[in-house]
Amino acid sequence: AQKVTQAQTEISVVEKEDVTLDCVYETRDTTYYLFWYKQPPSGELVFLIRRNSFDEQNEISGRYSWNFQKSTSSFNFTITASQVVDSAVYFCALSDDQTGANNLFFGTGTRLTVIP
Amino acid sequence: ETGVTQSPTHLIKTRGQQVTLRCSSQSGHNTVSWYQQALGQGPQFIFQYYREEENGRGNFPPRFSGLQFPNYSSELNVNALELDDSALYLCASSSVATYNEQFFGPGTRLTVL
Repeated sequence: AQKVTQAQTEISVVEKEDVTLDCVYETRDTTYYLFWYKQPPSGELVFLIRRNSFDEQNEISGRYSWNFQKSTSSFNFTITASQVVDSAVYFCALSDDQTGANNLFFGTGTRLTVIP
Repeated sequence: ETGVTQSPTHLIKTRGQQVTLRCSSQSGHNTVSWYQQALGQGPQFIFQYYREEENGRGNFPPRFSGLQFPNYSSELNVNALELDDSALYLCASSSVATYNEQFFGPGTRLTVL
């Protein structure tokens, strides 16, 4: 069974601090994809990154970076020098090939509040 | 390039009624997925449509049904509404070429009284 756990329900940081959002996943599939989405108050899910199970290289995109570790089934997301505009709910998601539909299994999300 | 659009934005229904939600996929996308997001939860997969056929379904009862049209737009129908159906309903479109990259619409907020 597929499962995504985001243990941090809410995080508050002061602007310019770094913050890491944790994500732990479970799947029996050997081929799978991991995602992070941002959901601002408007409600629309904004795609941030996709990583496949064969690519364990960490990735950096501006102030965002992602650390994928298959050994611990984790795919953590770090925001460097946080800004007020980063305030949102962040979801980690998993997609595998078992159903053939490539549907996304989401975690329960982490609400990030950046205080000015 | 037009993004994913959904209508209506908000909807209020009473228990037992039926509702139809609509989604227009992003240009060039032929796959549409529907998700239900209860308050404070992550989205849950309802079903996916590809070439007008259901292509996978989550753990939702048959009163949740859907359609996809030749222009790839889609409808989600929910019969016999229950209070627990109150949620944000999200539509996502994708293409075969980028099968795992789903682009989400702004959602329809359904309230069942």
